[in-house]
Amino acid sequence: AQSVTQLDSQVPVFEEAPVELRCNYSSSVSVYLFWYVQYPNQGLQLLLKYLSGSTLVKGINGFEAEFNKSQTSFHLRKPSVHISDTAEYFCAVKKSSASKIIFGSGTRLSIRP
Amino acid sequence: GAGVSQSPSNKVTEKGKDVELRCDPISGHTALYWYRQRLGQGLEFLIYFQGNSAPDKSGLPSDRFSAERTGESVSTLTIQRTQQEDSAVYLCASSLGSGETQYFGPGTRLLVL
Repeated sequence: AQSVTQLDSQVPVFEEAPVELRCNYSSSVSVYLFWYVQYPNQGLQLLLKYLSGSTLVKGINGFEAEFNKSQTSFHLRKPSVHISDTAEYFCAVKKSSASKIIFGSGTRLSIRP
Repeated sequence: GAGVSQSPSNKVTEKGKDVELRCDPISGHTALYWYRQRLGQGLEFLIYFQGNSAPDKSGLPSDRFSAERTGESVSTLTIQRTQQEDSAVYLCASSLGSGETQYFGPGTRLLVL
């Protein structure tokens, strides 16, 4: 069965500092990977996704993620965060042959001025 | 164009009552998903509709939960004899097809007293 682990429930960082939000998944088959963001009092929106091809995926708002098959990871990074990046970030995985997407428990990113 | 809409945005009900939540997907989207998000937790898959295929109900937590979808349009999620543990935000998402990017609605915040 698939599962997604986001090891950090909360990540505090200073404004303009770099950030990495960790995501590990377990699956024995080919998968698609996603990062969604949920800003305060808003719905989820897609940040980026990996379906195939280049393992480095660039998304909106300066975020990027790298698919590492050997480590079964899909960590999200941004070189310099802004106050407006304060949100909850969800990693998700889907078997390429299936319909259901499994979400991680989320990481709350808080930016300090 | 219009995004996914959900109604009501908030619902307060008494334990034991039935509630019905509505989702209007993006026009043309054949796939529709329902998720539950409890306070401080990740998204929990409930049910998935794809066109005229039989829905994937594997995430429904009990037989008190049911959902319907009329063709490729509106979906309703019904919770019978609500319990306090049903309190959560219920999110709906739609996509062009299975595996495509999911677009989320703003959610219905349900509180069972």
